[in-house]
Amino acid sequence: QVQLQESGPGLVKPSETLSLTCTVSGGSISTYYWNWIRQPPGKGLEWIGYIYYGGSTNYNPSLKSRVTISVDTSKNQFSLKLSSVTAADTAVYYCARSIYYYYGLDVWGQGTTVTVSS
Amino acid sequence: DIQLTQSPSFLSASVGDRVTITCRASQDISTYLAWYQQKAGKAPKLLIFAASTLQSGVPSRFSGSGSGTEFTLTISSLQPEDFATYYCQQLNSYPPTFGPGTKVDIK
Repeated sequence: QVQLQESGPGLVKPSETLSLTCTVSGGSISTYYWNWIRQPPGKGLEWIGYIYYGGSTNYNPSLKSRVTISVDTSKNQFSLKLSSVTAADTAVYYCARSIYYYYGLDVWGQGTTVTVSS
Repeated sequence: DIQLTQSPSFLSASVGDRVTITCRASQDISTYLAWYQQKAGKAPKLLIFAASTLQSGVPSRFSGSGSGTEFTLTISSLQPEDFATYYCQQLNSYPPTFGPGTKVDIK
């Protein structure tokens, strides 16, 4: 079955760019919607955005000016870049799949903790 | 953004209890609602989509209902593995938003 695995630095300095990658195994990335979601410590879930296999993207307006999601079909990976980070961006970051947008997020990665600190 | 509220925020229940969690939307979202279960230190797990459709592999003691602005998640007979935090998510409008969560704890 499809599995997702996040990877990237666990510590990012303020004002720098957070970069994470999600590797998809057990299935092709060349279909469906591929999402990023985050969860600050002790808080709820926030949807960051998705990339559709064709390359189209949709971002949360609250983060849109700082977010880029891209896909590398040759590596079966998709990536998140979040620029100009502050302590408020400290969170567990999850990647997740939607087969059909309206049907929710059916497969999730285990999550990776990113701390923004100097 | 569409705001979701959940009630209660916390509930204490015993194994075998029937548990109901309510999710209310700030505007009509038809049936574009999903429910997730999250255990401590783990990723959320999709339980129900389209308000009432059980995700494959999810036990039948979980059920969802509702449309418009009011939705419920029901666990018919609480099992030890069900103690977790439950979130609703609306997918009617961008950005998709989550409720604040309901923590189900052991009485």
